Amino acid sequence: AAGVIQSPRHLIKEKRETATLKCYPIPRHDTVYWYQQGPGQDPQFLISFYEKMQSDKGSIPDRFSAQQFSDYHSELNMSSLELGDSALYFCASSRYGDLETQYFGPGTRLLVL
Amino acid sequence: RKEVEQDPGPFNVPEGATVAFNCTYSNSASQSFFWYRQDCRKEPKLLMSVYSSGNEDGRFTAQLNRASQYISLLIRDSKLSDSATYLCVVLSLTTDSWGKLQFGAGTQVVVTP
Repeated sequence: AAGVIQSPRHLIKEKRETATLKCYPIPRHDTVYWYQQGPGQDPQFLISFYEKMQSDKGSIPDRFSAQQFSDYHSELNMSSLELGDSALYFCASSRYGDLETQYFGPGTRLLVL
Repeated sequence: RKEVEQDPGPFNVPEGATVAFNCTYSNSASQSFFWYRQDCRKEPKLLMSVYSSGNEDGRFTAQLNRASQYISLLIRDSKLSDSATYLCVVLSLTTDSWGKLQFGAGTQVVVTP
């Protein structure tokens, strides 16, 4: 069965650079969530989208923005990267009628040097 | 204070033994509860949902106590492959929190031969 696809899987950036993470949800899933998991931490909710509209917002820094496109894929844009942004970034997807069942992608590991 | 609290462990369990651990949550309006499993550097994977009536999935038994706001997980006949971090996860569906998963910090389980 198709799963959530995230790209790139690994990313190395320098401080103050920008990064774009992409997420392709499971086919027919219309809701996308972004989570950040720092080293030794639990995943923290960043932001979610339903039908291309932001549906919920968590602890996402102002330096980050995200959107969902007409094909339901989502991109997380990160600017002015800081060392503390080094983390695993997971995307999850679900169907709006079944928000309880969220499927996680393999994550993008971002390292900021 | 975190909304979902867990004993981080590690719980060192001999193969074949039973291990149980729980978590507590602070938001009494929380509606759905889950145990996820996370292997090192991988994405969280849904292990099972948790219901007030208690539910079982093979060697895994989960229980929810709404009055005391705690959730438990019991693993019987532990296998080496059960070694992982078990994340207690809570979902609230309110106008302020639509679909975002709240994770505990995870309980590490190490099954030894």
